Amino acid sequence: QVQLQESGPGLVKPSETLSLTCTVSGGSISSYYWSWIRQPPGKGLEWIGYIYYSGSTNYNPSLKSRVTISVDTSKNQFSLKLSSVTAADTAVYYCALMTTVTGGIDYWGQGTLVTVSS
Amino acid sequence: QSVLTQPPSASGTPGQRVTISCSGSSSNIGSNYVYWYQQLPGTAPKLLIYRNNQRPSGVPDRFSGSKSGTSASLAISGLRSEDEADYYCAAWDDSLSGPDWVFGGGTKLTVL
Repeated sequence: QVQLQESGPGLVKPSETLSLTCTVSGGSISSYYWSWIRQPPGKGLEWIGYIYYSGSTNYNPSLKSRVTISVDTSKNQFSLKLSSVTAADTAVYYCALMTTVTGGIDYWGQGTLVTVSS
Repeated sequence: QSVLTQPPSASGTPGQRVTISCSGSSSNIGSNYVYWYQQLPGTAPKLLIYRNNQRPSGVPDRFSGSKSGTSASLAISGLRSEDEADYYCAAWDDSLSGPDWVFGGGTKLTVL
């Protein structure tokens, strides 16, 4: 079974760039779509964007100007960069796998809390 | 404001049947499959229903999904205390830039 694990700083300063990496184990990243989702404390889920293993991407229009998702097939990892962060970007960030089996998000990482504060 | 609309809360007593609604539009639910996720407190969401009414292996048949037009529903029969969780609907939305993944705002289910 595929497992996903997020990693990265838990604290980011306002106006800086949030960077997270998702490591995939139990399967190859060279297939399917890989996604990032976030959840502010006490609130609902927000899709950030996805990347196909070949590198094509699609981002949430509300975040598109600040988001970059990339993939490193040699390391079986994909990454998220969110620039110019503010307190509103404080959230639990999840990486997730979307397969053609279901056509949607099948598997989620455990999530990592990122706090934006000086 | 979420693209898909869910009631913020729902409740039921053990053994009861509860339904949670999810309303969208022609660009998402009206033309694409609906997915449901269960999020237990302090954990990541888990896929509960895919492609409107399909259950992944391991999901009890107490959980069922349906779709009609631009709305969908999740039904939980034989309610149990362990079903107390947040439930989210989701779907692809056909945007000009490529399909976007959209969520409902979530429904907090309380087992009384």
